[in-house]
Amino acid sequence: DIVLTQSPATLSLSPGERATLSCRASQSVAHFLAWYQQKPGQAPRLLVYDTSHRATGIPARFSGSGSGTDFTLFISSLEPEDFAIYYCQQRAYWPFTFGPGTKVDVK
Amino acid sequence: EVQLVEWGGDLVQPGGSQRLSCVASGFIFSNSWMTWVRQAPGKGLEWVANIREDGNEESYVDSVKGRFTISRDNARNLVYLQMNSLRVEDTAVYYCARGRGTPDYWGQGTLVTVSS
Repeated sequence: DIVLTQSPATLSLSPGERATLSCRASQSVAHFLAWYQQKPGQAPRLLVYDTSHRATGIPARFSGSGSGTDFTLFISSLEPEDFAIYYCQQRAYWPFTFGPGTKVDVK
Repeated sequence: EVQLVEWGGDLVQPGGSQRLSCVASGFIFSNSWMTWVRQAPGKGLEWVANIREDGNEESYVDSVKGRFTISRDNARNLVYLQMNSLRVEDTAVYYCARGRGTPDYWGQGTLVTVSS
């Protein structure tokens, strides 16, 4: 199975700051990498698919980049509602897998 | 508006069975793969199973293969997850989601607790 590793595990930032979240795959997943946001008690929400395509209704402050094994999610300027857990997920090989998550919390 | 609503979660004894259901609205259900993803309490997300639009192709993660069955009723916009031989480690919130590789809409989840 493809193992996704996310770093850091926790990112402590202030509103207005830029967030950089990393995801590394155990083997190449080409561009088939998505990012989800999850808040406590809520379902995951799709943010970015296929590395860099924002999902419907996702603000432009969220962007993704990468290819192969190394991927990054950027949040250009953190809004109060952005403090949450972020998961990367690959769909290149079955079983599709998620990373363990990065928690973005308030510094 | 796309909506997915799950139900059927409950407290179940180890070795028992449970069926989860999910009703979809706001999109053409028969044109969409459907997926079940689960999340153990305080843990990350785990893919469980997918089913093709026509119901003729299913995929399962190894940890549930042979115990869980995904199915669908396109006439009623329903997708099911039949769970047999349940284990303590199956305890989780189970989410129904639209799509195969990158689910874009998710239900609110239903909690299955496996405990004696």
